[in-house]
Amino acid sequence: KAGVTQTPRYLIKTRGQQVTLSCSPISGHRSVSWYQQTPGQGLQFLFEYFSETQRNKGNFPGRFSGRQFSNSRSEMNVSTLELGDSALYLCASSRGSIGDTQYFGPGTRLTVL
Amino acid sequence: DQQVKQNSPSLSVQEGRISILNCDYTNSMFDYFLWYKKYPAEGPTFLISISSIKDKNEDGRFTVFLNKSAKHLSLHIVPSQPGDSAVYFCAAKGSNYKLTFGKGTLLTVNP
Repeated sequence: KAGVTQTPRYLIKTRGQQVTLSCSPISGHRSVSWYQQTPGQGLQFLFEYFSETQRNKGNFPGRFSGRQFSNSRSEMNVSTLELGDSALYLCASSRGSIGDTQYFGPGTRLTVL
Repeated sequence: DQQVKQNSPSLSVQEGRISILNCDYTNSMFDYFLWYKKYPAEGPTFLISISSIKDKNEDGRFTVFLNKSAKHLSLHIVPSQPGDSAVYFCAAKGSNYKLTFGKGTLLTVNP
């Protein structure tokens, strides 16, 4: 079974631009969560989607948004990029129940100049 | 307010010996705990998990122990191998589906 895939793997943007990241979950998984990893803050939860609905949200500004499609693929959008948005963005998929394990993709490395 | 803490940023052990990675949590609503291993430029890889109704779970060389009264869990790797060298993250989950991570411990296993 194929794992979680994320595209693109690397991205360079400038301040003020916007960016869209994509995540394809493991087949059969209906939940997709997004995390931001930075050296200072570690792994922080952004939001989780289940059956095309945002089910949970972390403490990030409204510039960070996401959506999920009917095939469970998910996109994350960051508008008006800031230097501090430079990070590794990870998505994880699971079947969607509380006890289910989340499996992570390889991440998208975003650099904001 | 860090709800999941890994107080040792790094740990170095000899090949063949035991590695013990520790994790403390403060939120008593957490009821499911996981350990992930991460190599640079890759996503975290799931290792092992434990539900709050158990105090031990074992999978091959990996064992996780949970002490609910102390709000403490640990990951034991026996025997340690050089390929185990990576950053290990402890994560906890409550009723809201999201994972709360510790900041990680860099394990180095020396040949």
